Amino acid sequence: AQSVTQPDIHITVSEGASLELRCNYSYGATPYLFWYVQSPGQGLQLLLKYFSGDTLVQGIKGFEAEFKRSQSSFNLRKPSVHWSDAAEYFCAVGHGGATNKLIFGTGTLLAVQP
Amino acid sequence: NAGVTQTPKFRVLKTGQSMTLLCAQDMNHEYMYWYRQDPGMGLRLIHYSVGEGTTAKGEVPDGYNVSRLKKQNFLLGLESAAPSQTSVYFCASSYPPAGREQFFGPGTRLTVL
Repeated sequence: AQSVTQPDIHITVSEGASLELRCNYSYGATPYLFWYVQSPGQGLQLLLKYFSGDTLVQGIKGFEAEFKRSQSSFNLRKPSVHWSDAAEYFCAVGHGGATNKLIFGTGTLLAVQP
Repeated sequence: NAGVTQTPKFRVLKTGQSMTLLCAQDMNHEYMYWYRQDPGMGLRLIHYSVGEGTTAKGEVPDGYNVSRLKKQNFLLGLESAAPSQTSVYFCASSYPPAGREQFFGPGTRLTVL
């Protein structure tokens, strides 16, 4: 069965520091992979997605992610974190087929220290 | 263009009461989804619809029913609410086919006492 693992429940970084959020997936075929961000009390907003092709994908707000098939990973990175990046981040894998269902990880809560 | 909207934003129910959550989208999306979000569990799919008049069960459908009578609306019903249904509920919509972005509503926070 498909699954997504985000091993870090909570991460704290200093403003200006680099960030990497980990995501591992289990999926039989080439997956569709997504990163969403959720600010407090808000819905989810898409940061970036991977379908095929270039394994390094760029997203909004200066985020990028790299698809590594050999490691079944899709880690999210940002070179310099801003205080406004404090939020919860969700990795998701697309089911494929005719339904476009997503399977979400349990999320990583990011805190940013001044 | 409002995107995906959800009504109500907050609700408190007593055990055994019923209610309906409304999701509306103005993007002409074929697919719509209902998720629940619980601490430490991410988002779990309750029910989904791939078109007007169609619905299907997701990962955690028990205790919920849905209807998609109009393409733009997707209703989630709780016939007899239980404390275990205390959660934040999100609606989402997307175009087909697979791999398209899902657009999310702002959520409904439901408490069942």
